[in-house]
Amino acid sequence: DQQVKQNSPSLSVQEGRISILNCDYTNSMFDYFLWYKKYPAEGPTFLISISSIKDKNEDGRFTVFLNKSAKHLSLHIVPSQPGDSAVYFCAASGSGGSNYKLTFGKGTLLTVNP
Amino acid sequence: DTEVTQTPKHLVMGMTNKKSLKCEQHMGHRAMYWYKQKAKKPPELMFVYSYEKLSINESVPSRFSPECPNSSLLNLHLHALQPEDSALYLCASSQQGRDYEQYFGPGTRLTVT
Repeated sequence: DQQVKQNSPSLSVQEGRISILNCDYTNSMFDYFLWYKKYPAEGPTFLISISSIKDKNEDGRFTVFLNKSAKHLSLHIVPSQPGDSAVYFCAASGSGGSNYKLTFGKGTLLTVNP
Repeated sequence: DTEVTQTPKHLVMGMTNKKSLKCEQHMGHRAMYWYKQKAKKPPELMFVYSYEKLSINESVPSRFSPECPNSSLLNLHLHALQPEDSALYLCASSQQGRDYEQYFGPGTRLTVT
């Protein structure tokens, strides 16, 4: 049972445009949601997180939106740059003792074309 | 220092060998993790150490043996592995109260022959 789903395996965007990566989840007990970026042969890099009590969190070019009623979150990258080309993983964690365990989606490969 | 470092970067071992993976962080994080990642799959949690004590073991086979000598170091001892254990092994750490924000090292690419 896949609790965190990224239904788009890949996304291609022109440089300067907006990239929108989507993620759906099924477990209503998740408390925090995160986005990680991964280049080949490197570990995932933490990008941005959002608590379940918020609906938006912004950090520079990256904004995460959370729609709890739809169990959906998205990552917006504006403007997109070629260096943003990577695999993006959505992840979720519970609260308290289950805070440690991150449940990851399968990832979306973003390609930003110059 | 905002890095998690892992050694070695690559490791090839036979099924009868004993080897160890090492991880180090100097961010003062009190929780450290081992994950396994197969190609085109997301990372899967193996072990969690909190304050140098093993707090989570995700039913990992005993041929993988974690060790936390101090708050900055985490080892993964490997013995009698199978070819299907070949994967990228990732170490991560997190600070107290924000364990959902985990910082990953570059990983060790392990090949079992």
